[in-house]
Amino acid sequence: ETGVTQSPTHLIKTRGQQVTLRCSSQSGHNTVSWYQQALGQGPQFIFQYYREEENGRGNFPPRFSGLQFPNYSSELNVNALELDDSALYLCASSPNTGTSDVGELFFGEGSRLTVL
Amino acid sequence: AQSVTQLGSHVSVSEGALVLLRCNYSSSVPPYLFWYVQYPNQGLQLLLKYTSAATLVKGINGFEAEFKKSETSFHLTKPSAHMSDAAEYFCAVSSGNKLVFGAGTILRVKS
Repeated sequence: ETGVTQSPTHLIKTRGQQVTLRCSSQSGHNTVSWYQQALGQGPQFIFQYYREEENGRGNFPPRFSGLQFPNYSSELNVNALELDDSALYLCASSPNTGTSDVGELFFGEGSRLTVL
Repeated sequence: AQSVTQLGSHVSVSEGALVLLRCNYSSSVPPYLFWYVQYPNQGLQLLLKYTSAATLVKGINGFEAEFKKSETSFHLTKPSAHMSDAAEYFCAVSSGNKLVFGAGTILRVKS
């Protein structure tokens, strides 16, 4: 069983640039969530994708956007990068159980973004 | 809105000593609660979860946590710390289709 994989693992961008982070969900999982973990803080929910549509969003501006593909993989796009966007971006997948409450999330190892 | 408070951003214990990491939650409905561990430069790994079954939950690596509704707590314990337990630990509560995490507690294990 393949776990959640993310790419790239590390990247450096400059302020104002755009970045795309990628995530492959665990086999059999159709729901993908993205979290931002700033240094010294807990992960913060960005958004969730289910059946290729956004299914809930946290307190992040519209320059944070995403996609989910038919194979359930996902992308996180951030435009007009700011210094405060420097963080570890975590992707998590889960099997949709049809309930409104989230169950266990399976996390990838993250993409560490540094904005200079 | 659901929230989580982890008391103590850093906890230091000696090898072989009891580990106690504190977590209090705020939830308007019966919650699902989780403890995750994060080793340096890695993602989050689930230690254990409470989903309204038994109040004492056993997880991996000898960890367990007890759900106490009256105290709105879900503290993580391990009877005897091992050097390999050194990591950051996050408590989380379910909130709809997302998890709300605490700020984390870094556990240091002294030899």
